[in-house]
Amino acid sequence: EPEVTQTPSHQVTQMGQEVILRCVPISNHLYFYWYRQILGQKVEFLVSFYNNEISEKSEIFDDQFSVERPDGSNFTLKIRSTKLEDSAMYFCASSVKFSSYNEQFFGPGTRLTVL
Amino acid sequence: DQQVKQNSPSLSVQEGRISILNCDYTNSMFDYFLWYKKYPAEGPTFLISISSIKDKNEDGRFTVFLNKSAKHLSLHIVPSQPGDSAVYFCAARSRDQTGANNLFFGTGTRLTVIP
Repeated sequence: EPEVTQTPSHQVTQMGQEVILRCVPISNHLYFYWYRQILGQKVEFLVSFYNNEISEKSEIFDDQFSVERPDGSNFTLKIRSTKLEDSAMYFCASSVKFSSYNEQFFGPGTRLTVL
Repeated sequence: DQQVKQNSPSLSVQEGRISILNCDYTNSMFDYFLWYKKYPAEGPTFLISISSIKDKNEDGRFTVFLNKSAKHLSLHIVPSQPGDSAVYFCAARSRDQTGANNLFFGTGTRLTVIP
């Protein structure tokens, strides 16, 4: 069964460093998303991406964040200068289309630890 | 910003009995509601959904009920099985956004099914 994959599973970085989190969505999906979950808190929407551009972003997704689909398979989230409060689990998701039956398939997540 | 609330952080149920997980929301623009299940070290997995024009949707052991007037939905699992032990997230989609099915999540309820 096709699945969303994410690498790395755990990323440790120093505050102020840049990190790139990688995702490979399901191959026939057209909509891509990033969410994060700070430990003990709810899953929060960051950004959605369609047709090579951002469709929507939340207040969390400030200028330190960017997304890219560098090729036909990868979808990346870059944090330019990490802060301690960026430590969280980051989930990538994809869906086949915008439809009345929305199913976003989530990857296993990347745990980002900022020291 | 607590548009989707799950007020019970945990629930324990005996195997074979019914599990009822509750969710409340505040945004009347939500048009679709979903339940996700999450195991440790995995991403959320879609379980079942319901459109705002319906009041019930059933899929095997899982039934979701929607009470729009009360802005309340619930997930019933019957009979509960030990493998159902996981964190369950309620999520909602708002059609007043510009595009792509951004989901608002509750904080989750940890279900433990006791053998």
